[in-house]
Amino acid sequence: EAGVVQSPRYKIIEKKQPVAFWCNPISGHNTLYWYRQNLGQGPELLIRYENEEAVDDSQLPKDRFSAERLKGVDSTLKIQPAELGDSAVYLCASSFTFWDTGELFFGEGSRLTVL
Amino acid sequence: SQKIEQNSEALNIQEGKTATLTCNYTNYSPAYLQWYRQDPGRGPVFLLLIRENEKEKRKERLKVTFDTTLKQSLFHITASQPADSATYLCASTGGFKTIFGAGTRLFVKA
Repeated sequence: EAGVVQSPRYKIIEKKQPVAFWCNPISGHNTLYWYRQNLGQGPELLIRYENEEAVDDSQLPKDRFSAERLKGVDSTLKIQPAELGDSAVYLCASSFTFWDTGELFFGEGSRLTVL
Repeated sequence: SQKIEQNSEALNIQEGKTATLTCNYTNYSPAYLQWYRQDPGRGPVFLLLIRENEKEKRKERLKVTFDTTLKQSLFHITASQPADSATYLCASTGGFKTIFGAGTRLFVKA
């Protein structure tokens, strides 16, 4: 069974440019998460989806970040415009439900470098 | 606010010894705690989960404890091997949120 797939793995852009990350969760997983991980830190939740509904986006910087999960499957996270401080690894994770086993399945991440 | 802390210093141990990592939480009571392994440049991989009504959980060479009085979880790797070298993340789930600690780097020397 395929795991969580993310793309691109690496992205280098100049500040003020837009960038988008894509995530395909494990088939059948209703809950999808976007986390940001800075160097030497643990993942920090940006947004959580239950099917196509964003149920927790309290940590998403809404002035420049946006996300969508059309049809409750794939998801896209966008940053526009990017700032130097956005350099980080963006991790996508999925689970059957939030309260099921608790186990999160992570993708390999998308490493963003903003110059 | 919910807070979770792990030893920020790296842990260096000799092969064959038991590695013990600590996770402390404050300001809330999580429904369960999870431990993940993360290798450089990779996403975290789930290892073990322990619920608030469980004191101990084991899986092969791994053992996790949950002390709600001390607000602490301990993660043990027995008979450690160089291949166990990685960063280990503690995560707590409570109040519809799962938050992660910063992780502890483990180095197992042959």
